[in-house]
Amino acid sequence: QKEVEQNSGPLSVPEGAIASLNCTYSDRGSQSFFWYRQYSGKSPELIMSIYSNGDKEDGRFTAQLNKASQYVSLLIRDSQPSDSATYLCAVRSGGSNYKLTFGKGTLLTVNP
Amino acid sequence: NAGVMQNPRHLVRRRGQEARLRCSPMKGHSHVYWYRQLPEEGLKFMVYLQKENIIDESGMPKERFSAEFPKEGPSILRIQQVVRGDSAAYFCASSPPGTGGYEQYFGPGTRLTVT
Repeated sequence: QKEVEQNSGPLSVPEGAIASLNCTYSDRGSQSFFWYRQYSGKSPELIMSIYSNGDKEDGRFTAQLNKASQYVSLLIRDSQPSDSATYLCAVRSGGSNYKLTFGKGTLLTVNP
Repeated sequence: NAGVMQNPRHLVRRRGQEARLRCSPMKGHSHVYWYRQLPEEGLKFMVYLQKENIIDESGMPKERFSAEFPKEGPSILRIQQVVRGDSAAYFCASSPPGTGGYEQYFGPGTRLTVT
């Protein structure tokens, strides 16, 4: 069973701080990794994708991938109350070029 | 540029009725994926379709569930004889051709409640 694990949280950070969200995956053949943001009652919104080891930065978001450790993370700098949402880690395994396996998500709360 | 569209947004059915959920992919997208999100659970893959073809339905329950993506019109996820356990949010995602589904964009979802 290919699994994606996330801390369910809630993770609470003060406004302006760095929020760090973590994800581990079991399928060593996984190739593609995604972070989605989901506000309560809304659909998942793709915010970051990463395919190779290292860091990828986009605005206040940085995704980090370490395939040897089977670990992917998302850092949110200068956190804002509007960042309060559930963050879903999704992984595409090496055996599929389309099927995403999602973690259960981490609830982030940014306190003003 | 309209995103993925789903309707209805909310659907209430009594046990034993049929539920039909519709999904129109983003313009230019020809790949459609359906996911189900149960309360307090992550999204689970159900089925992947291209026009007139079911590519992978490995996540679909064996009975009562079916999906199609006709040449014309939206993709439809059909649930026959619904039971309370079918209550969930059903999300459709789409991706453009030739990308192997690299990045999937989600619709607003249909929230099904079975009473």
